[in-house]
Parts: sequence; C-alpha cells; structure tokens
Amino acid sequence: ETGVTQTPRHLVMGMTNKKSLKCEQHLGHNAMYWYKQSAKKPLELMFVYNFKEQTENNSVPSRFSPECPNSSHLFLHLHTLQPEDSALYLCASSQDVNLRGGVEQFFGPGTRLTVL
Amino acid sequence: SQQGEEDPQALSIQEGENATMNCSYKTSINNLQWYRQNSGRGLVHLILIRSNEREKHSGRLRVTLDTSKKSSSLLITASRAADTASYFCATPGSARQLTFGSGTQLTVLP
Repeated sequence: ETGVTQTPRHLVMGMTNKKSLKCEQHLGHNAMYWYKQSAKKPLELMFVYNFKEQTENNSVPSRFSPECPNSSHLFLHLHTLQPEDSALYLCASSQDVNLRGGVEQFFGPGTRLTVL
Repeated sequence: SQQGEEDPQALSIQEGENATMNCSYKTSINNLQWYRQNSGRGLVHLILIRSNEREKHSGRLRVTLDTSKKSSSLLITASRAADTASYFCATPGSARQLTFGSGTQLTVLP
C-alpha cells in the first residue's frame, strides 16, 4: 500500500464502548497528525507527533488518547465518547513539522465515526 | 489563531466554465496552501505558494497571492464534473500547525 491508510473506514460505537482508530503512513515521514472534521466546521487539529513524540495537544478531552509507537503508525484510542464526537477523523503525515517553511501534509481517507 | 476563510461558501457552475475561490487571512504568512477534499474523503494537496510569489500554475489550476490584501485566489479553468469537491486554503499557525478555513463547496454540473 502507498500513502496514508486508515482503518476502519467506518465505525459505529456506543458511549460505553472502547475502540481504536489506526493510521499508517508509507511515506517515510517524521510527523503525524490527528484531525477532527465535523459538519459545517473547519478542520480541527487534535494531536501532533514528531519522531514519535507528542508535540501538540489542542485541549482535546481525555476520552481521546493518542499513541504513536513509531514514526509510521498512529493510533487514536476512544472511550466513553459522546454523540457530539461523531465526525470524520483524519490522519495526516508530513516530512517534518516545520510548517512555517511550507510543508505539504498527506491525508488518509478518514474514519467516519458515529457515536450512538 | 490565524485562519484562512474561503469565499464563497458554495459555488455551482456548468462544466467548461471557470471557477474562482478566494481565501482571506489575518496575519502575515510566508506561504499558503490549497487542498481539495472529495465528499467524505481525505484532503489532497493541490498547490503551495510562497509569500515572494504572486502567481503559480499547476495544470488547470492558477493560484494568486496578494500579501498586501492578505488574500489568495484559486482559479480552476475549463472545469469538469470531476472537479466537484470542497476546496480549502491552509495557512501556517504555530510552528507545528496548519490552520484550515471552512472551505468552498464547488459543484460542477455536467
């Protein structure tokens, strides 16, 4: 596979469930990101990892727990979510995090999450 | 935080026509990117323009940047039904973040 892949593509879960989203990049990049995209709202950055180290956490509730075991894999562990957490969750990667210099981000296809 | 805002929010045109989308931002930047998103999918990078560039082309895409007005435009020439998508501008926020606008939903009618 090439590029950035995400699994599952669709997920329906109850508020008491625990699930995990997986992202894998095959581009040799050093930085990985989780975004949340809700209807009618701009893309929201959740977490940034650079060389496996978390460098940004944009005040995300603790019911979202990221994990980055290596530069190629990123997980988002979900537990006790709320219906308002239903959204498209996008993973992205880039060569590095020096975005001021202008670095392209490569996105996965997303996981459509529905919380009942 | 710095943010680009696209205008219009929605645009509907006939196949073969040109589509123009605009992006305004608030503070000085050294580059601006445009992305495209097909419905329910991930974003795809289209083009990056640096602050010392006024115009850039890529195929049927033409991007302009006016730093004095803090605005950018994306022109798609000879549009096709396959160009139907949402288009986002993105500007650098903090050193590790890109800030995306709310997007322009483009519909190209066959």
